[in-house]
Amino acid sequence: NAGVTQTPKFRILKIGQSMTLQCAQDMNHNYMYWYRQDPGMGLKLIYYSVGAGITDKGEVPNGYNVSRSTTEDFPLRLELAAPSQTSVYFCASSQRGSNTEAFFGQGTRLTVV
Amino acid sequence: DQQVKQNSPSLSVQEGRISILNCDYTNSMFDYFLWYKKYPAEGPTFLISISSIKDKNEDGRFTVFLNKSAKHLSLHIVPSQPGDSAVYFCAARGGAQKLVFGQGTRLTINP
Repeated sequence: NAGVTQTPKFRILKIGQSMTLQCAQDMNHNYMYWYRQDPGMGLKLIYYSVGAGITDKGEVPNGYNVSRSTTEDFPLRLELAAPSQTSVYFCASSQRGSNTEAFFGQGTRLTVV
Repeated sequence: DQQVKQNSPSLSVQEGRISILNCDYTNSMFDYFLWYKKYPAEGPTFLISISSIKDKNEDGRFTVFLNKSAKHLSLHIVPSQPGDSAVYFCAARGGAQKLVFGQGTRLTINP
């Protein structure tokens, strides 16, 4: 049981490039989330999904897009990368109706130069 | 607007003693609170939670206290062990299973 798997673990992007951060979970959770963590700060919600085909914006959605075509996968797309998007990105999932305990992936450290 | 605040960036405690991590919040609509623990280069892992209808929840060495009138919660770890050294995040549920996180407190347990 792998839990939540994120790829890649590290990535360096040039300003203006695009990329997709992959996230997959094998726990059949309906809820999935993308967070970013900046140094010395807490995690901030970028986007979330309550099920396949349904996504919604979180606290800091600008510059990002998501899709949820299956229960398992929740990729995060960065278009036109900017230095302000340098951060550690965490994907998480949780079971609907649970105590909101979320399971997190190991994170993707992204640097935009 | 930081709705969940952990005002101590770091805390150092001797092994075997009690560690107390604090968290304050401003939104009275939060109905569920959680603590997560994070080791370097890993994602956060769930530690313990408490509903807003309770004032205490205990799980082994970990106890969370909630004071709704003061909008304050705390995590007590006793006795503290070297493996407890990590960053601890307080989080509050803000609806639709969205969590609002504090900035984190780095706990160091000294032998």
